[in-house]
Amino acid sequence: EPEVTQTPSHQVTQMGQEVILRCVPISNHLYFYWYRQILGQKVEFLVSFYNNEISEKSEIFDDQFSVERPDGSNFTLKIRSTKLEDSAMYFCASSEWTRQGRVQGRESSGNTIYFGEGSWLTVV
Amino acid sequence: AQTVTQSQPEMSVQEAETVTLSCTYDTSENNYYLFWYKQPPSRQMILVIRQEAYKQQNATENRFSVNFQKAAKSFSLKISDSQLGDTAMYFCAFMKHIGDYKLSFGAGTTVTVRA
Repeated sequence: EPEVTQTPSHQVTQMGQEVILRCVPISNHLYFYWYRQILGQKVEFLVSFYNNEISEKSEIFDDQFSVERPDGSNFTLKIRSTKLEDSAMYFCASSEWTRQGRVQGRESSGNTIYFGEGSWLTVV
Repeated sequence: AQTVTQSQPEMSVQEAETVTLSCTYDTSENNYYLFWYKQPPSRQMILVIRQEAYKQQNATENRFSVNFQKAAKSFSLKISDSQLGDTAMYFCAFMKHIGDYKLSFGAGTTVTVRA
């Protein structure tokens, strides 16, 4: 069964360092996302990406964050200068959904968002 | 912004018994989607079940079923015949039908299945 894959599974970095988290979304999916979960807290939306541009971003997603789809398969999240409060589990996710709302005229579960296993980032 | 509330931080259930998790949400939308995700100790987010608001029939997925009450803005999850592998954090989530495709999550309910 197709799945979202993420690397690394765990990264420890020093405060102020740049971090890149990598993701390979499900191959026929069109929307890509990053979510964050600080330990013990709820999962929070960071950013969505569609058609090679950011579709929506939350207030958490400030200038320290950026996303990129460098090739046809990878989707990356970069944190330019990490802070202690960036320590969290970062989830990549993808969905099939298009802006038109249907896929080839059929009702589908295309808006279901599938998550990767997460990248646990520890900033020290 | 949509608010999703899960009022039960923790629940415990005996193996083979049934447990029901509550979820309420606040929205002015008429059409939307609701989801339950499971997060086991491995911390992966796994889709359990989804419900379209325009469907009156409650979704079921094997041992998992929902009780969707649109007027009350309630979306509870019932786990029947609980198994040890059901031990996890369960998150309720909301998505608008049109406009954006992001999930708004509740705070989660930790379910522990006892042998």
